[in-house]
Amino acid sequence: GQNIDQPTEMTATEGAIVQINCTYQTSGFNGLFWYQQHAGEAPTFLSYNVLDGLEEKGRFSSFLSRSKGYSYLLLKELQMKDSASYLCATMDSNYQLIWGAGTKLIIKP
Amino acid sequence: GAVVSQHPSWVICKSGTSVKIECRSLDFQATTMFWYRQFPKQSLMLMATSNEGSKATYEQGVEKDKFLINHASLTLSTLTVTSAHPEDSSFYICSARSQDRGDTGELFFGEGSRLTVL
Repeated sequence: GQNIDQPTEMTATEGAIVQINCTYQTSGFNGLFWYQQHAGEAPTFLSYNVLDGLEEKGRFSSFLSRSKGYSYLLLKELQMKDSASYLCATMDSNYQLIWGAGTKLIIKP
Repeated sequence: GAVVSQHPSWVICKSGTSVKIECRSLDFQATTMFWYRQFPKQSLMLMATSNEGSKATYEQGVEKDKFLINHASLTLSTLTVTSAHPEDSSFYICSARSQDRGDTGELFFGEGSRLTVL
């Protein structure tokens, strides 16, 4: 079967660092995506990992371990505008995205 | 980044009427477009995959006669919700994969359309 797990909700402080984990089990693997979604808006692309390791892009970094079926999104120097849901999604062998339920990140001053 | 425009952003209609939602890729050609639906506090659910010039591929449980998808050109796909009912009220989002940018897998999303059926 196909399954993606990520925490439902996390809370962090402005200026701090937070790591959002995602574990997955999918049939076929063509990469893992992280998307950010603010309430009432469409998701926006953050990162794409298909090889093991860390991809850094400004304040955001994403890590993938294919052997462990594990990824994380790391957000540094948190800002209030980072309050959003963060969606983990894998792409299967048919290039379809399989979405996790999302992690709601709450940033406190 | 590439731009995908979705219209209308908000629509309210009476039960039994049909609603058409448009999804346009503004600065690239999209051979494949995806239509998603998102109910409150739930994740995006893929409804169908739309390929230019051919019939859409619907996910299990999605009624193809109720949700009509047309992808007549490389820049436009439409979703028509026929005989809408209150349970069809949802957030509908389209996304597109660019033909021009190689298959990086990156999807570009429209702004979404919030449908409310009275």
